[in-house]
This record gives sequence, structure tokens and C-alpha cells, in this order.
Amino acid sequence: KAGVTQTPRYLIKTRGQQVTLSCSPISGHRSVSWYQQTPGQGLQFLFEYFSETQRNKGNFPGRFSGRQFSNSRSEMNVSTLELGDSALYLCASSLGPGDADTQYFGPGTRLTVL
Amino acid sequence: QKEVEQNSGPLSVPEGAIASLNCTYSDRGSQSFFWYRQYSGKSPELIMSIYSNGDKEDGRFTAQLNKASQYVSLLIRDSQPSDSATYLCEVKTSYDKVIFGPGTSLSVIP
Repeated sequence: KAGVTQTPRYLIKTRGQQVTLSCSPISGHRSVSWYQQTPGQGLQFLFEYFSETQRNKGNFPGRFSGRQFSNSRSEMNVSTLELGDSALYLCASSLGPGDADTQYFGPGTRLTVL
Repeated sequence: QKEVEQNSGPLSVPEGAIASLNCTYSDRGSQSFFWYRQYSGKSPELIMSIYSNGDKEDGRFTAQLNKASQYVSLLIRDSQPSDSATYLCEVKTSYDKVIFGPGTSLSVIP
């Protein structure tokens, strides 16, 4: 079974631009979560989608948004990029939002904002 | 107090020794706990999940959970240089929130 895929793997943008990242979950997984990982803040939860609905949202500004499609693929968008948005963005999928459901991470998208 | 804390690293152990990684959490109602390993430049990969008090063993890895004391630990027996990585503790809280600890960097010295 194919793992979680994320595209693109690397991205360089300038301040003020916007960016869209894509995540394809493991086949059969309906829950997708997004995380931001930086050396200073560690792994921080952005949001979770299940059945095209946002179930949970972390403490990030409204510039960060996401959506999920009927095939469970998900996108996240960051508008008006800031230097501090430079990070590894990780997507993780699971069967559902249950407590026992295990997350499987994709390889991540490395975003650099200049 | 941070919601999930891990013992500060880096942690260095000689090859063949036991590495002990600890994680404490603040939400007493948390029910699900996970340990991940993350190699430099790679994404986290699940090592083990634990939901009930006590020990859970999987090969060289043992997770220990004590909900009364609000800690979960990971023991790595017969540590190998390939175990050198950052170990992340994930907690799913009672209010449906996923929180990761800051990670502990482990270095196994040959």
C-alpha cells in the first residue's frame, strides 16, 4: 500500500506570496492532519480534516487554511507569507479521528520564505 | 507548564546499553500515547502506541504508561547506532487535541 505523499517536496517563496501544499493520504484513510515543524517550536498541530470537514484547529493565524476533498486528499494554503513560516510542513493520515487511530506521516514539504 | 514535556537532551548512551526516554503530560484525562522516531531530515515514524497502564513490549522497545503519575516512557534495550535519532512523544488529550513533546535527541555511541 502506498504511503502518504506530499507535493511539492521543496518550495522557495518570497514574503507576501501565498503557497498551496498538497497531501494524498494512504488509501482508505479518511482523516488528514497538518503539522508545522521548526527547530524552535517543534512539531505543532495546524488542523485536522475528516470527511471534508475541519474537526480541529491549532493556534495558528487565519493566514493558514486548509481543505479536504471527497477523495480525502487535502490541501493547505498559507497566504501573505512571512519569514517565520519557513518550516517543514508535515501531513499525516489515519483511518479516522478515533483515539486509537495511528497517524502515518508523509515526507513533508520544506518551505523556505525569503 | 507545557502540556507535553520530554527529558531534555541530547542523551548519549553506549552501544548495547538501555536508553530511557521520558514524557510527562498535563491533561489527566489523556487516553492515547504514541512514540515516534525521527531521523534528521526525515518525517516521524511510529514506534509504538500505548493506551493502558503498564508495559507494552515490541522487540527491543518497551513503552511504559502511568496515568496516575502522568508519564509515559520508552525504553530501548541493546541500543544500536541506528537508534540515533530524535524521539517524539505524542499525546491525544481528553479535549480532542494532539500535542507533541519537543523531542529528545538520542545518540548511541559505538
